[in-house]
Amino acid sequence: GQQVMQIPQYQHVQEGEDFTTYCNSSTTLSNIQWYKQRPGGHPVFLIQLVKSGEVKKQKRLTFQFGEAKKNSSLHITATQTTDVGTYFCAGRTGTASKLTFGTGTRLQVTL
Amino acid sequence: EPEVTQTPSHQVTQMGQEVILRCVPISNHLYFYWYRQILGQKVEFLVSFYNNEISEKSEIFDDQFSVERPDGSNFTLKIRSTKLEDSAMYFCASSGNGYTFGSGTRLTVV
Repeated sequence: GQQVMQIPQYQHVQEGEDFTTYCNSSTTLSNIQWYKQRPGGHPVFLIQLVKSGEVKKQKRLTFQFGEAKKNSSLHITATQTTDVGTYFCAGRTGTASKLTFGTGTRLQVTL
Repeated sequence: EPEVTQTPSHQVTQMGQEVILRCVPISNHLYFYWYRQILGQKVEFLVSFYNNEISEKSEIFDDQFSVERPDGSNFTLKIRSTKLEDSAMYFCASSGNGYTFGSGTRLTVV
C-alpha cells in the first residue's frame, strides 16, 4: 500500500534557527496537505498543494510540492517557541478522498 | 470559525464492551471521516463516508467497526467488542475545500 515517510523524525532547534521537514510518498499524489499537531492536540490544517512544483508561503512557513508530485517540504524560517509541535504531511491519490498521513516530524524549540 | 465537535473527550471501557464515539461535522461539508492515532504514532485513516454510505475504508476498519449518520447532524463510530489494541485517540474530520479535524476522543480499553 501507499507509504508516506517524513524525515527527520525529531528535530530540536534553538529559537531563531531554521527548520525543514521532508515528506516522500511511495506513489504519485494528486495533492498534498500539511498539518500541525500540538502536544495533546488534534491535527490543524495548514495548507494544500496541488500543482507540480508549487510553492506557497504563509508568513515564516514555505511549502513546496515536488515536480514529480511524490515529495514535499515544509521550511520554517527563524523558528519561535510557538512553532513547537509535530508536523505531518498527508497525501491524496487520484480521486480518493482519504488522506494518507506521513510519519510526522516532531519539532522542539528552546530559547 | 466552524468546528467539528466530538464527544466524549475521554472514554474508558472494559475489553469486550461496545463503545460509540460521536461527532458533529461541519454542516455544509459533504465528506466525513474517522481517523485514529495510537499514542506517539501517525494518524491512520479508518473510513470515509459520503452521501450516506461508506466510500472508502482501511484494513483497520474490520467487522468490529461501523459508522452511521443517524440524523442530519451526527456521525458516529461504533466499535462492537473493544480490544486492548483499540486504545487510541479517535479523530473525526469533515471536508469541504479542506479538512477540519475534531479535538478527538481518547479511548482507553482496560
